[in-house]
Amino acid sequence: DVKVTQSSRYLVKRTGEKVFLECVQDMDHENMFWYRQDPGLGLRLIYFSYDVKMKEKGDIPEGYSVSREKKERFSLILESASTNQTSMYLCASSLRQPREQFFGPGTRLTVL
Amino acid sequence: DQQVKQNSPSLSVQEGRISILNCDYTNSMFDYFLWYKKYPAEGPTFLISISSIKDKNEDGRFTVFLNKSAKHLSLHIVPSQPGDSAVYFCAASGKGQGAQKLVFGQGTRLTINP
Repeated sequence: DVKVTQSSRYLVKRTGEKVFLECVQDMDHENMFWYRQDPGLGLRLIYFSYDVKMKEKGDIPEGYSVSREKKERFSLILESASTNQTSMYLCASSLRQPREQFFGPGTRLTVL
Repeated sequence: DQQVKQNSPSLSVQEGRISILNCDYTNSMFDYFLWYKKYPAEGPTFLISISSIKDKNEDGRFTVFLNKSAKHLSLHIVPSQPGDSAVYFCAASGKGQGAQKLVFGQGTRLTINP
């Protein structure tokens, strides 16, 4: 069974703080992804990584950065949190083939 | 530019009847389609997928239909059960460099009534 874990289920931060969200997968997947989910907008891709130290921008990368130093770990960084980054953040991983992605439980981030 | 659209934000179905969730896409390069189910406070879980070389894929109570000419896919759940109440997302991926990414629709909230 694929397991994707995220460091926190709920997080409350203040505007301007630096925020780290961590994701770990235990199935040796090459690809890892960060999404945010907002009502009426579905899941939107922030960044993804197809190998260690490799990253590509998704559809909404502004205000975010990522780090992938080890294959199993993919971190999302909010350099200076803003209230419009209040959202549900979902991490996922996949093999190159097939393309099914496996998701973690999500982190509900609130920025005050 | 929403490449994958789920035009019904919500759907209510009686237990035991058929649930039909719809999804439209605009990008003709998409060649693989997936459905995910999401309960509140949990991550999405993969349900079923279909390749563009097929027009139907079945797995138990779940069947996905693909109409390439209409750029439309649907998920049928028969019979619907209370545990099927969740938000359903369709997703698509393309060929080449885009093959590793999924593009998601906005989701449809399905409620199964007893």
